[in-house]
Amino acid sequence: GQQVMQIPQYQHVQEGEDFTTYCNSSTTLSNIQWYKQRPGGHPVFLIQLVKSGEVKKQKRLTFQFGEAKKNSSLHITATQTTDVGTYFCAGGKTGGFKTIFGAGTRLFVKA
Amino acid sequence: DVKVTQSSRYLVKRTGEKVFLECVQDMDHENMFWYRQDPGLGLRLIYFSYDVKMKEKGDIPEGYSVSREKKERFSLILESASTNQTSMYLCASSPWTGTENTEAFFGQGTRLTVV
Repeated sequence: GQQVMQIPQYQHVQEGEDFTTYCNSSTTLSNIQWYKQRPGGHPVFLIQLVKSGEVKKQKRLTFQFGEAKKNSSLHITATQTTDVGTYFCAGGKTGGFKTIFGAGTRLFVKA
Repeated sequence: DVKVTQSSRYLVKRTGEKVFLECVQDMDHENMFWYRQDPGLGLRLIYFSYDVKMKEKGDIPEGYSVSREKKERFSLILESASTNQTSMYLCASSPWTGTENTEAFFGQGTRLTVV
């Protein structure tokens, strides 16, 4: 079945350092979504990418969707302590109802 | 604000009990989902529903069933709870565009412990 792999599982950074998490799918995706889950909270939608090669920015966060629509990345520039949490990618297939989540990358930021 | 409400935040049940987890959404979304979240495994899809009375198995349906009698309500049932079903359960809903899923809205989660 469709699988979405996400790496790394954990990342520790010093405040001010950059951070990147990567997502790879075994099949072509119709879209990729990114979510953030704060400790003790529930996943909250950040963004959706739909087009091949698409790049979107939200302040210090940059999201990319690969040309083949099989991979994606989330890059955070100059991390802050408020960025701590787990970041999930989630992929969907055209005509499909299912959204398959990656295992998530847990980000720790040391002040 | 979209709201997805799960009936309990914390639940403790005994092995063999029948357990009902309830989820209600107020945005008239077609799609609803049940996930379980375990450390290192992310969110795994148990069941989903794309319409009233319609349901589809996700990746880990064994030991679970679901019910969707009304559009706003999606229930997860553990027929005979076992200790390996101790987990965080997350309900989500999303609108259907006609071709693909869009943003999913999650409930606050139910932490179920089976003893």
